[in-house]
Amino acid sequence: DQQVKQNSPSLSVQEGRISILNCDYTNSMFDYFLWYKKYPAEGPTFLISISSIKDKNEDGRFTVFLNKSAKHLSLHIVPSQPGDSAVYFCAAPGTGSARQLTFGSGTQLTVLP
Amino acid sequence: NAGVTQTPKFRVLKTGQSMTLLCAQDMNHEYMYWYRQDPGMGLRLIHYSVGEGTTAKGEVPDGYNVSRLKKQNFLLGLESAAPSQTSVYFCASSYPQRYPTGNTIYFGEGSWLTVV
Repeated sequence: DQQVKQNSPSLSVQEGRISILNCDYTNSMFDYFLWYKKYPAEGPTFLISISSIKDKNEDGRFTVFLNKSAKHLSLHIVPSQPGDSAVYFCAAPGTGSARQLTFGSGTQLTVLP
Repeated sequence: NAGVTQTPKFRVLKTGQSMTLLCAQDMNHEYMYWYRQDPGMGLRLIHYSVGEGTTAKGEVPDGYNVSRLKKQNFLLGLESAAPSQTSVYFCASSYPQRYPTGNTIYFGEGSWLTVV
C-alpha cells in the first residue's frame, strides 16, 4: 500500500509557463515532506521541503504547498525552464525510529522550448 | 568531494549468480540506505543502517542481504540473482533523521543491474 502517491507519471509544459506537480499521502502522521529531482543516469538530489506546521515554502522558482486536510502537496515551478526536465519524487519520513524516507512513484516533467 | 560512490555502475548477471554492490560515503554520515528504482514504482527501500554494525529491513528486503562493517561502507548482496532483481540500485546516506524535520539524504549515481 503506497503511502505517498504521485498519480501523474508525466507532465509536459511550455517553457516560461508554470509546472504543477502533485502528490497525495495517506498517513496523517507524516510531519515533513520533501521533493527530490532526478536527471537520467544520476542519483536523486534534494530540491525543497516543507514541515507540516507550514502550508507553503518557497525557494526561488520552486514553491511547495501543503494542504493537510486534503493530505495533498504540490510543487510549483515558475517559470519553467528546459533544464527543469527531470523526474520529480515527493517523499516523507516514516514514523519509525529511523524516519527513513518513503518515496512516491515520480513524475517525469518535460519542459518544451 | 566524492560524496556517495557506488561500484560497479553496470553489471549483467545470470540467474542464480551472486554479487555484491559496494557503497562508500565520505561525509561521516551515520545512516545509510539501499533503494531500488523500477518503472512506475519509484524508489523503494531495500535495507538501511543507522550505524556501524547495524542493519534493518526496508520495504522490499527479500533476496538481498547487507552489511555495515565500517561506518563509511554499506554493502548490498544478492545471494542468488533473479530476473525480478533487474533494476537500478541507489545507495544513500544521511545524518540521523530527527523529529519533526529531517536531514537531507544524499544519493549515489546508481548501479544498473540486469539479471538474465
